Amino acid sequence: DGGITQSPKYLFRKEGQNVTLSCEQNLNHDAMYWYRQDPGQGLRLIYYSQIVNDFQKGDIAEGYSVSREKKESFPLTVTSAQKNPTAFYLCASSNRATAHEQYFGPGTRLTVT
Amino acid sequence: AQSVAQPEDQVNVAEGNPLTVKCTYSVSGNPYLFWYVQYPNRGLQFLLKYITGDNLVKGSYGFEAEFNKSQTSFHLKKPSALVSDSALYFCAVRDVRGYQKVTFGTGTKLQVIP
Repeated sequence: DGGITQSPKYLFRKEGQNVTLSCEQNLNHDAMYWYRQDPGQGLRLIYYSQIVNDFQKGDIAEGYSVSREKKESFPLTVTSAQKNPTAFYLCASSNRATAHEQYFGPGTRLTVT
Repeated sequence: AQSVAQPEDQVNVAEGNPLTVKCTYSVSGNPYLFWYVQYPNRGLQFLLKYITGDNLVKGSYGFEAEFNKSQTSFHLKKPSALVSDSALYFCAVRDVRGYQKVTFGTGTKLQVIP
């Protein structure tokens, strides 16, 4: 988990509320990613960013939004439009110098009721 | 499109026996291949990667993996399993042509029995 922090570890929200998950890295990596993990489905890419002020949709971007105003930070907002937001969310970063092997944060478990 | 298949949801092995966790991939160009391990309620930890060169790659905690281009496989192996190896293992692939998107498999749960 070294170098990437995610907060909080557990998050509870009521349905209909937007919620923002934090991700910070001090590895000086250019690329950052958000994944969603559900049992039996592996990791699915939500959004990724290759450089500051630029990001692209992944495979399951609907109902999510991101920003990349600083190299170190890549917050994810889960909006009320996301139909099934309860999941384990993982943030990662990578660099070209290491073939983009990914360094992961400890994750945030979001529960929406 | 690139994809990864991990055909076994769970692998059980006795402590001290060799273990293999299977992975096959599909990618348009040449692959970068990765193995990660995840312990409960934690993020993924990098184990090893194949970029180029020797087909047998050695990684952390005594794990190794063999790249087989003809079979498009990258199986994870360890000569002697430990109970502490019990975890969820993910294989991942990326095309070498500079596009950073990585595709993960669905994971294989390894259970090492004492």
